[in-house]
Amino acid sequence: EIVLTQSPATLSLSPGERVTLSCRASQSVGTFLAWYQQKPGQAPRLLIYGASNRATGIPARFSGSGSGTDFTLTISSLEPEDFAVYYCQQRSSWWTFGQGTRVEIK
Amino acid sequence: EVQLVESGGGLVQPGGSLRLSCAASGFTFSNYNMNWVRQAPGKGLEWVSYISSSTGMLYYADSVKGRFTVSRDNAKDSLFLQMNSLSAEDTAVYYCAREYCDGGTCSFDYWGQGALVTVSS
Repeated sequence: EIVLTQSPATLSLSPGERVTLSCRASQSVGTFLAWYQQKPGQAPRLLIYGASNRATGIPARFSGSGSGTDFTLTISSLEPEDFAVYYCQQRSSWWTFGQGTRVEIK
Repeated sequence: EVQLVESGGGLVQPGGSLRLSCAASGFTFSNYNMNWVRQAPGKGLEWVSYISSSTGMLYYADSVKGRFTVSRDNAKDSLFLQMNSLSAEDTAVYYCAREYCDGGTCSFDYWGQGALVTVSS
């Protein structure tokens, strides 16, 4: 089973700041990696697929990069609605998720 | 508008069974692979099961293999998860999710609102 490790577990930031979230795979997943955002009481929302492709309707401030084992989700300038938990997910071998990174208001 | 609506959640005793349903609308259900994902209270996401669009391929997480069965009725645009031999560790919100594949890479582009399953005596 491919294990995804996200870091850090929690980020405390202010609106307007730049955010960089990390996801590391225990073995190569190519670019078969997606990112999701989840707010309390809501289902996850797809942000990025194929490591770097924004899903429909996702603002341009969200971007993804990486391949192989190291991936990054960047939010160029935090908006108030971006405070949430972010998960990475791989599909190289059966689906697994990272443990999540919480982005909270400082 | 794509919609996925789960139902069938509730309180069940350890060792009991429950059947979840997911009603799909707004897209051609039979063209899409579907998945179940769960989230225990205060925890992260865990993939549970996959069913292909029409070829009958089924896959399960090791944690539910032999106890859960996924199925679908393409004529009724519905997805199901039969859960048997439930334990407290199965307590979670269960989401159905549509699998979207583009250029060889896949992700879950639409999710239901979730159905809460609580296993307790």
